[in-house]
Amino acid sequence: QVQLQESGPGLVKPSETLSLTCAVSGYSISSGYYWGWIRQPPGKGLEWIGSIYHSGSTYYNPSLKSRVTISVDTSKNQFSLKLSSVTAADTAVYYCARHPLGIAAGGGYGAFDIWGQGTMVTVSS
Amino acid sequence: QSVLTQPPSVSAAPGQKVTISCSGSSSNIGNNYVSWYQQLPGTAPKLLIYDNNKRPSGIPDRFSGSKSGTSATLGITGLQTGDEADYYCGTWDSSLSVFYVFGTGTKVTVL
Repeated sequence: QVQLQESGPGLVKPSETLSLTCAVSGYSISSGYYWGWIRQPPGKGLEWIGSIYHSGSTYYNPSLKSRVTISVDTSKNQFSLKLSSVTAADTAVYYCARHPLGIAAGGGYGAFDIWGQGTMVTVSS
Repeated sequence: QSVLTQPPSVSAAPGQKVTISCSGSSSNIGNNYVSWYQQLPGTAPKLLIYDNNKRPSGIPDRFSGSKSGTSATLGITGLQTGDEADYYCGTWDSSLSVFYVFGTGTKVTVL
């Protein structure tokens, strides 16, 4: 079955860059779907960060766009997140997830159907 | 700040029914498909409903979704203790750019 696994440092200093990777198994990233990042600060709700297609096409949350870069490595079947100039407000559990993206009669569609288990990232000196 | 508004909490006794509302606008719910996610304590979210009212394989028919105009609703019938969780709606927003938005989240408590 399709599985996603996040990895990366659990502690990042303020003003530095947060870097995470999501390894995909059981499915080839190049076969389709978009691949996204979502985060959840402690005790708070979900926030979409951005998504990427295997071609490199990206969509970003407008509120984070200036600090976010999402990239894909099809040879390793993984995709990555970089978030620059982090502050304590970026402390959160970071999830990677898969979703389709398209247009149908009822509008745009694309639910996050498979999620990684999440990884906690704390921003602190 | 989320653009999709949900009630902070709902509760009911085992076996009863609860409904969770998700209110948005024409740029999101009004013109795109809605999804619902269940997040059990300490776990990753799980897709419950997609394309307004479709259930992924393995999701019981106790869970249902509907959409009308700029609002969506998740219904849970035959409430079980295992349904205690946070529930989030989500959809794409296509106002100035294309981005995904989640609802504020609703805590379901089984009394």
